[in-house]
Amino acid sequence: AQSVAQPEDQVNVAEGNPLTVKCTYSVSGNPYLFWYVQYPNRGLQFLLKYITGDNLVKGSYGFEAEFNKSQTSFHLKKPSALVSDSALYFCAVRDPMYSGGGADGLTFGKGTHLIIQP
Amino acid sequence: NAGVTQTPKFRILKIGQSMTLQCTQDMNHNYMYWYRQDPGMGLKLIYYSVGAGITDKGEVPNGYNVSRSTTEDFPLRLELAAPSQTSVYFCASSYGGQDPRAWPQYFGPGTRLLVL
Repeated sequence: AQSVAQPEDQVNVAEGNPLTVKCTYSVSGNPYLFWYVQYPNRGLQFLLKYITGDNLVKGSYGFEAEFNKSQTSFHLKKPSALVSDSALYFCAVRDPMYSGGGADGLTFGKGTHLIIQP
Repeated sequence: NAGVTQTPKFRILKIGQSMTLQCTQDMNHNYMYWYRQDPGMGLKLIYYSVGAGITDKGEVPNGYNVSRSTTEDFPLRLELAAPSQTSVYFCASSYGGQDPRAWPQYFGPGTRLLVL
């Protein structure tokens, strides 16, 4: 089975400061990892993914994420936060080797509210 | 290019009523999914489909049914609505290809359902 943990319900950052939203995962093999953002009353928007290769992946809106296999983490980062980055962020995982029910779906974390203060 | 569209946006049901949530995608994606989102719980997979005529259960399928007669459409049916089905429902789609799990999913705007 696969699982994702987002240990922080909320992260507060001042505008212009770097931000980090944490994510750890559990899968039996090598994970496929994704970050999504959700603005109020909207669907989820894809930000970036890690499948294989370089541990640092870059995505939309200046976000990047670092895959760390030894720590089973995939933290989302941005060098300089904007007020418009305030939203709900979800980390998600797929185990490419898992063959159980719902295997082709994504397993999501509970989400982290990111609040950027002016 | 509309992406994934869902109707209705909001609906109130009485206990025991039935309804169908509609989902359509215009990206020619083989894979389609239904999730529900409850506050503080993330998203849970209800059902998914890897192509027309093929559907499979996800993590929380009880009380729901789906069909996939075309590539574009993937309706979700609630037969006997219960208060526990109060939630926000999201439809998503993704490309299949050689490694379908490597592709991101693209989500619709959601349907907010209240069962009273």
